[in-house]
Order: sequence, then C-alpha cells, then structure tokens
Amino acid sequence: AQRVTQPEKLLSVFKGAPVELKCNYSYSGSPELFWYVQYSRQRLQLLLRHISRESIKGFTADLNKGETSFHLKKPFAQEEDSAMYYCALRGQGAQKLVFGQGTRLTINP
Amino acid sequence: NAGVTQTPKFQVLKTGQSMTLQCAQDMNHNSMYWYRQDPGMGLRLIYYSASEGTTDKGEVPNGYNVSRLNKREFSLRLESAAPSQTSVYFCASSDWANGLANGNTIYFGEGSWLTVV
Repeated sequence: AQRVTQPEKLLSVFKGAPVELKCNYSYSGSPELFWYVQYSRQRLQLLLRHISRESIKGFTADLNKGETSFHLKKPFAQEEDSAMYYCALRGQGAQKLVFGQGTRLTINP
Repeated sequence: NAGVTQTPKFQVLKTGQSMTLQCAQDMNHNSMYWYRQDPGMGLRLIYYSASEGTTDKGEVPNGYNVSRLNKREFSLRLESAAPSQTSVYFCASSDWANGLANGNTIYFGEGSWLTVV
C-alpha cells in the first residue's frame, strides 16, 4: 500500500526563519515524489519533484530512501510562502498520485 | 491554453438532490482524476480514468459515479447528495511516462465548492 504522511497540519514561522515541512512515505518500491503548493484561492500547482533535484522559489527537497522521507526546506522564509503544501507519491508505473494530508504554512511578519 | 476547466465553481444542494460536476482538459492527456479536499484530510482520490474508456475507484468512491465521456471530458455525479459530501472538488489530468521523467506532473482545475444542506 502507498501512504504519505505529513505530521504537521499547521506550521507557523517568522519571516527570515528556516522552514522545514515534513513528509514521510510508505511504499515498497521506488517512488516518485512531489511537492505541490496551493496559494489562497488558487489551484494546486507543482512546486518540485525529486528527480529534478532543482530549487524552486528557494525550496529544496531531498529523497531519503533510508528514512522514507521527502522533507521540504527553505533557509529563509518569505511572507509569500504562506500557503497549503501537499506531499505526493506516485508508485512505479502507477497512473495516480497519493497525497498527504497537507500542511498549512503561515509566515509571520 | 485553458488547461483543466471545471464547472460549476460553486453549488449549494439540498440533501437527496443530484448533480454533475463537469471537467474538461485541452492538453490531450490520457489520465483524468477527481479528488476531494477536506480540512485535515488532504486530497483524497474519488475516481480516476487512466485512459479513455476506463474508470477506476480511488480511496473514497462511495456516493459518486463518473463518466469518461471522451478523451477531453470526465464528469463526476452525485446521485443523492449527503452533507458528508460537502467539500471542494478538484479535477485533474496528467500523462505519465513509464519511468521517472522530468515532465511527470498532474494539472489541476480551479476547484468546485459544493455545500450540501
């Protein structure tokens, strides 16, 4: 079975502070992992995917297969980062994504 | 390029009424999805269609039916709405490579806010 767990429903940090949104997964094969973001009243959009190993809007995420984690990090939070963040997993050859429960990130001025 | 469009955007239903949420994509994607978004529950897959002519249940299919009318359109029907179906519904589409690929992603519509009273 595939499962994605985001243990924090709410996360609040001050502007300029580091941010880490946690994501753990359960999957026996080699997963494909994603982070999606939903800004207020907007549609969900892709933030980054693990195979790209890219930094988007200052965010990075590293797949740790030993810990089955894909935590999202940013060294210095900005107010515009306030949004809902979802971690998602696609199993090998699967035609669907499984999402976590989401973390609402609030950046305080 | 509109991407994924869904209608209606807002709807209030009485318990027991029926309605259909419409979704269309113009990206020539094979796969289409219906998710519901609830506070604390995240996004849960209701039904999906991996290709034209096929549909499969997701995590929470009870109380819903779907139709993949053609490659572009995927509708979600509530036959007898219940208050537990009050939610935000998202349609999405994608085309997945067989393996890992930089182009792999899923595209979402803007959402449909449904309230059942």
